[in-house]
Amino acid sequence: DSGVTQTPKHLITATGQRVTLRCSPRSGDLSVYWYQQSLDQGLQFLIHYYNGEERAKGNILERFSAQQFPDLHSELNLSSLELGDSALYFCASSVEGFGEQYFGPGTRLTVT
Amino acid sequence: GIQVEQSPPDLILQEGANSTLRCNFSDSVNNLQWFHQNPWGQLINLFYIPSGTKQNGRLSATTVATERYSLLYISSSQTTDSGVYFCAVERRNTGFQKLVFGTGTRLLVSP
Repeated sequence: DSGVTQTPKHLITATGQRVTLRCSPRSGDLSVYWYQQSLDQGLQFLIHYYNGEERAKGNILERFSAQQFPDLHSELNLSSLELGDSALYFCASSVEGFGEQYFGPGTRLTVT
Repeated sequence: GIQVEQSPPDLILQEGANSTLRCNFSDSVNNLQWFHQNPWGQLINLFYIPSGTKQNGRLSATTVATERYSLLYISSSQTTDSGVYFCAVERRNTGFQKLVFGTGTRLLVSP
């Protein structure tokens, strides 16, 4: 158990819908990262937040957005969902804005 | 961006055998991590090893940062070692903290 929690574990939804994925970092960690794992793209970085502020963006679609709240938990919002958004979404955390990252169990999203 | 190549892509072993997985990267790194993704999809941290050698039970890892590669050794493999092993790196001095993952080595350990 890495100490990073993600909810829900599984999510099945229809095209065009909107979903929210939630992540709680390890106690004391200030950074939260989101990654997407799909069959065709592998594991890819989406976005990084540090202590409530966006630090870096990767290959994140405009239909996706994220935020980190004052209690340091983070949410990833996915809207206008398409079949290709089906993937495993991981959240990771680290103490600072660098260093070892610890991954949560992931949320498996299926868009039908 | 930085390129991360892992070899071999697939590996089949008998229980009890030893193996070496390799990760080559194309630029200087601040961070290098090895992960095991189990059949349930969980990513398990194995090593944080931007340089040097570490050991944890039957697993050990070595990173030679100056030559831009890392090796993961699995000794006396067990069926529970099956899964995909990923190497991930963070490029040095970019001010951009993200891990770039290799495509993984898929390991199957048979009894």
